[in-house]
Amino acid sequence: DAGVIQSPRHEVTEMGQEVTLRCKPISGHNSLFWYRQTMMRGLELLIYFNNNVPIDDSGMPEDRFSAKMPNASFSTLKIQPSEPRDSAVYFCASSRGQGAGQPQHFGDGTRLSIL
Amino acid sequence: QKEVEQDPGPLSVPEGAIVSLNCTYSNSAFQYFMWYRQYSRKGPELLMYTYSSGNKEDGRFTAQVDKSSKYISLFIRDSQPSDSATYLCASGSARQLTFGSGTQLTVLP
Repeated sequence: DAGVIQSPRHEVTEMGQEVTLRCKPISGHNSLFWYRQTMMRGLELLIYFNNNVPIDDSGMPEDRFSAKMPNASFSTLKIQPSEPRDSAVYFCASSRGQGAGQPQHFGDGTRLSIL
Repeated sequence: QKEVEQDPGPLSVPEGAIVSLNCTYSNSAFQYFMWYRQYSRKGPELLMYTYSSGNKEDGRFTAQVDKSSKYISLFIRDSQPSDSATYLCASGSARQLTFGSGTQLTVLP
């Protein structure tokens, strides 16, 4: 089975530019999670979808961040405009069932650098 | 206070040693407990999953949950150099999973 697929693996861009991160969850999984990982703050949940519907977006830092899940096999996380403090590794994870308590399977992340 | 606390290490042990990794959590409503292993430049990989209290064993790995003391542990027997990674504990409810900061483990050959 293919795991969670994220693209791009690396992104370097200048501040003020729009950044779009993409995720394809494991087929058959109906919950999808976006996380951000930094040395200072560790792994933080940004937003979680169940059956393509956003359930909890309380971790989204500010209005510059937005996430969509137009169908069961695709999600995007967009940052506009980007700032240097957004530099981090962004992970997507998916799981079966409803709720954050089910085993989550992670992609290999997008390493984002904002100059 | 963070909801899930984990000693960041680093922890260094010789090959073959028994490794003990620990976390504490503060929310008594937490019912789900997981351990993840993360290699450098890779995503976290699920190792162990436990619901509520008790022990769970899988090969060289044993996870323990003590809800009375809000303490979770991962034991690795006969540790191997390939076990060198960062280990993340996670605890939560149906609404949100909270991760510890991770413990960096090195197993020396």
